[in-house]
Amino acid sequence: DTEVTQTPKHLVMGMTNKKSLKCEQHMGHRAMYWYKQKAKKPPELMFVYSYEKLSINESVPSRFSPECPNSSLLNLHLHALQPEDSALYLCASSQASSRQKNIQYFGAGTRLSVL
Amino acid sequence: GQNIDQPTEMTATEGAIVQINCTYQTSGFNGLFWYQQHAGEAPTFLSYNVLDGLEEKGRFSSFLSRSKGYSYLLLKELQMKDSASYLCAVRDQYGNKLVFGAGTILRVKS
Repeated sequence: DTEVTQTPKHLVMGMTNKKSLKCEQHMGHRAMYWYKQKAKKPPELMFVYSYEKLSINESVPSRFSPECPNSSLLNLHLHALQPEDSALYLCASSQASSRQKNIQYFGAGTRLSVL
Repeated sequence: GQNIDQPTEMTATEGAIVQINCTYQTSGFNGLFWYQQHAGEAPTFLSYNVLDGLEEKGRFSSFLSRSKGYSYLLLKELQMKDSASYLCAVRDQYGNKLVFGAGTILRVKS
């Protein structure tokens, strides 16, 4: 099973709303990732959690707040977003060891529209 | 810095063979990945190279030359369902960060 589950699949929110994106995996992976993907562009890394600790933050604005409550779950809390934040948000997971292949498995994403 | 180049689009005929090239210049290297992404869907893993040479997996093969900063993905016996974007991604030396190329949109025609 290489499934990463993301909810919701679609989300429309206003600029004053607070919402959360959720990601879950049961592959025993200890590294989890958030990516942002605009149309016809590659995924861009936002955050990496390794063993439930934030290890990489790619200078993402504070209106995006990640959270890793346990080794299977990853959340992305959204507040006061801008229309340009509209994108496909992808979650991925992998093994955490630097000595392994560490294939990242992606969820189907949440398509976010900010009005 | 990181620079990964792929052709923007390619077109090939059903049943044919197509090669998608990827060149990279990165500050560190710990493996190169190829992913397939259909429109509106998640990227799915295709292949991985960390040593020079060819890796074969069914209809898909991937080649790496680290000295040249070059990889290619070879797709044989093309099928209509292979129409997708193909993403080349390089992993940094610390093992967790993937940097993606812009992707190559492959169109398979009958």
